[in-house]
Amino acid sequence: AQTVTQSQPEMSVQEAETVTLSCTYDTSESDYYLFWYKQPPSRQMILVIRQEAYKQQNATENRFSVNFQKAAKSFSLKISDSQLGDAAMYFCAYRVFQGGSEKLVFGKGTKLTVNP
Amino acid sequence: NAGVMQNPRHLVRRRGQEARLRCSPMKGHSHVYWYRQLPEEGLKFMVYLQKENIIDESGMPKERFSAEFPKEGPSILRIQQVVRGDSAAYFCASSPDRSSYEQYFGPGTRLTVT
Repeated sequence: AQTVTQSQPEMSVQEAETVTLSCTYDTSESDYYLFWYKQPPSRQMILVIRQEAYKQQNATENRFSVNFQKAAKSFSLKISDSQLGDAAMYFCAYRVFQGGSEKLVFGKGTKLTVNP
Repeated sequence: NAGVMQNPRHLVRRRGQEARLRCSPMKGHSHVYWYRQLPEEGLKFMVYLQKENIIDESGMPKERFSAEFPKEGPSILRIQQVVRGDSAAYFCASSPDRSSYEQYFGPGTRLTVT
């Protein structure tokens, strides 16, 4: 079964500094997608960044970048120049294709606090 | 282009009542997914629907829960005879087709069972 593990329930960072959130996953498939979602107190799920497994280059979106290690099944999120608005729950997710179905499998999340 | 819409945003039901949660996907999207988020947990898949078809309901509890996505109108997640353990945030997501890499999420419905 596909699983996603986020080993850090909580993390904190000083404003303007860099923080890395960890994520590992388990799959036997060779082609898949990985995502990081942000959930602020409003509870709206916001896509932060995605990575296609067939791409060796790590995805980058402005201050957000990933370190994708396919062999190790690791997919960490780095937030540079942290801002107060980055404070939120962050969820790592893996897109599963099974037969005619597809769905997202989420980790339990990491609560990020940004200190001024 | 309006995003995924869910209503109501908040729903309070007493034990034993029925809860009906609605989801209107983005325009042009024919694939709908429902997820449940229990307190302090990540989202868990419940059901995947296309217009008039249930594709995968492997995450749905066997009893009391049902979902539909009719040809016209929103997708409905229905919970009969609610219990306290059903209290959670229920999220709907949509995509234009199965090959689209992104699911677009609605704001969620927070169900409280008293």
